[in-house]
Amino acid sequence: SAVISQKPSRDICQRGTSLTIQCQVDSQVTMMFWYRQQPGQSLTLIATANQGSEATYESGFVIDKFPISRPNLTFSTLTVSNMSPEDSSIYLCSTGRDRYNEQFFGPGTRLTVL
Amino acid sequence: AQTVTQSQPEMSVQEAETVTLSCTYDTSESDYYLFWYKQPPSRQMILVIRQEAYKQQNATENRFSVNFQKAAKSFSLKISDSQLGDAAMYFCAYTSPLGGADGLTFGKGTHLIIQP
Repeated sequence: SAVISQKPSRDICQRGTSLTIQCQVDSQVTMMFWYRQQPGQSLTLIATANQGSEATYESGFVIDKFPISRPNLTFSTLTVSNMSPEDSSIYLCSTGRDRYNEQFFGPGTRLTVL
Repeated sequence: AQTVTQSQPEMSVQEAETVTLSCTYDTSESDYYLFWYKQPPSRQMILVIRQEAYKQQNATENRFSVNFQKAAKSFSLKISDSQLGDAAMYFCAYTSPLGGADGLTFGKGTHLIIQP
């Protein structure tokens, strides 16, 4: 299994600002995923990040709002841009699949936008 | 698009009893994977159990087992001998290995309460 860390673990931000969330994996993985979990809700996939290519975004999510970087096989960042209170959520990164198609998750970043 | 439905927002069970959480899904694919994840208040997503669609045998992990009914597109989780540490949100999830790039599609979750 992979061990994943995220920074920051939580943050409180002012509307109109941006926050970059870092995700570090202890092993090389081809794919990484970013999810959003709004308060009391389930997880929704934001985008898939492959090293060396542009991220692929799910319906309802756009690159201008959630730019993603994937500079190498162990690291990715997600930026939440021009934040509004509606962006208050937990943001989780996960690894791509192992041979069982299992995904391993980071501990999440709890974002509150005032 | 695939969908996952969990019809029980909350379930309560006495410690040491057995509880079953329901999950149904919709897909047109024949090969896929199903998962149950547990999310305690710490927010860490923990894999409880997985099932490959091509396997007829139901998966079992210690006190956790599934009832996988492929024709009915049903994937329920049974927790035996419930313990206080089992209290958490439980999410059913789906992914397809075809194409290689899909993430997980989650249900809305079931909040499991364990009564001491």
